[in-house]
Amino acid sequence: EAGVVQSPRYKIIEKKQPVAFWCNPISGHNTLYWYLQNLGQGPELLIRYENEEAVDDSQLPKDRFSAERLKGVDSTLKIQPAELGDSAVYLCASSPREGRTDEQFFGPGTRLTVL
Amino acid sequence: GENVEQHPSTLSVQEGDSAVIKCTYSDSASNYFPWYKQELGKRPQLIIDIRSNVGEKKDQRIAVTLNKTAKHFSLHITETQPEDSAVYFCAASSGGGADGLTFGKGTHLIIQP
Repeated sequence: EAGVVQSPRYKIIEKKQPVAFWCNPISGHNTLYWYLQNLGQGPELLIRYENEEAVDDSQLPKDRFSAERLKGVDSTLKIQPAELGDSAVYLCASSPREGRTDEQFFGPGTRLTVL
Repeated sequence: GENVEQHPSTLSVQEGDSAVIKCTYSDSASNYFPWYKQELGKRPQLIIDIRSNVGEKKDQRIAVTLNKTAKHFSLHITETQPEDSAVYFCAASSGGGADGLTFGKGTHLIIQP
């Protein structure tokens, strides 16, 4: 079984430019999460989806960040415009929600550098 | 919201010795407490988790204990090996795990040969 897939793995952009990250969760996982991980810190939740519905976006800076999960499978996280402080690793995770485990499976992340 | 504190930030132990990492949480509604291991440049991977209806759980060399009254939980690694070197994160969730996790700041575990 393939794990959570993210692309790109690395992205370097100049400030004020837009950037987008893509995530493909594990097949059959209804719940999808986007986390932000700053260097030397633990991941911080940005948004959680149940199928195509964003059920928790309270931590998403909505002035510049947006996300979508149109068909309840893949998801895209966008930043426009990017700022220097957005440099971090953006992690996607998925969970089956149902069943015996609530484990969240993480993708490899996208490392964003804003110059 | 939930706040998770983790200590120590760095832990160095001799190979073969035990390591203990401690976390406290603030939200009494939290009921799911996973521990993740993250190697440099890699994704976080679940190593063990515990729910609020259980006080202790073991998996080979790894164990987790939970004290709901004091709102703290700990990770215990026995007979440490070089491959245990990594950053370990504790986390808490009030939705049984399917809700978003609140992570601690991590502990850098160094196993000295």
